[in-house]
Amino acid sequence: QSLLMQPPSMSAAPGQTVILSCSGNTSNIDKNYVSWYQQLPGTAPRLLIFDNNNRPSGIPDRFSGSKSGASATLVITGLQIGDEADYYCGTWDNSLTTVVFGAGTKLTVL
Amino acid sequence: QVQLQESGPGLVKPSQTLSLLCTVSGTPMKSTLHSWSWIRQFPGKGLEFIGYIYYSGSTVYNPSLKSRAAISMDFPKQRVSLKLRSVSAADTAVYYCARLYTSSHYSNSGSFSRFEYWGRGTLVTVSS
Repeated sequence: QSLLMQPPSMSAAPGQTVILSCSGNTSNIDKNYVSWYQQLPGTAPRLLIFDNNNRPSGIPDRFSGSKSGASATLVITGLQIGDEADYYCGTWDNSLTTVVFGAGTKLTVL
Repeated sequence: QVQLQESGPGLVKPSQTLSLLCTVSGTPMKSTLHSWSWIRQFPGKGLEFIGYIYYSGSTVYNPSLKSRAAISMDFPKQRVSLKLRSVSAADTAVYYCARLYTSSHYSNSGSFSRFEYWGRGTLVTVSS
């Protein structure tokens, strides 16, 4: 069982906005930076968001992240068919002294 | 551009040692801003951090691996290696190497910010 809790699946129609959540605790998200990764079918994960709310170059501004306390969210606006993927959150855990990931949310774009 | 490529045997017998290599190109391995890490993804899709090595040679490992993992670097060959001892079927996974961004700003966070670049991964099956 992952230390970071993510809903297993979500779905939305093209053009809509979806909010993916990642819930942790005072040992991980509350104290450290969160990053988000997108994994398209059959490919390796790709960095989407780092340090809670920053996008690497090349990531569209349709993707945004935020953090409040021990929870983080990834917001995707203007959903596209190509956004259908698994999304993972990750951060450092001070108690376990390791990087921890959520179990991932499978996003379906209907 | 930055590229990472994993390589190694796709099948390992139980109790043996899994050995993988990651060849890095497009970026110098000797960097104060980067560490070189290994992550695996189980068949059920969960991701697990294995460990990382800093250019100084210092390493951090996931305690859950109970000291079975060892990561090393070869600067001239631009390679990072992973050895995982005493494997079992539970170690069957896709293994990724990744460049990790770090700096003193993250010193209270395990020196971890994010995994910037990932290799394509290599599937390792543990079976007799």
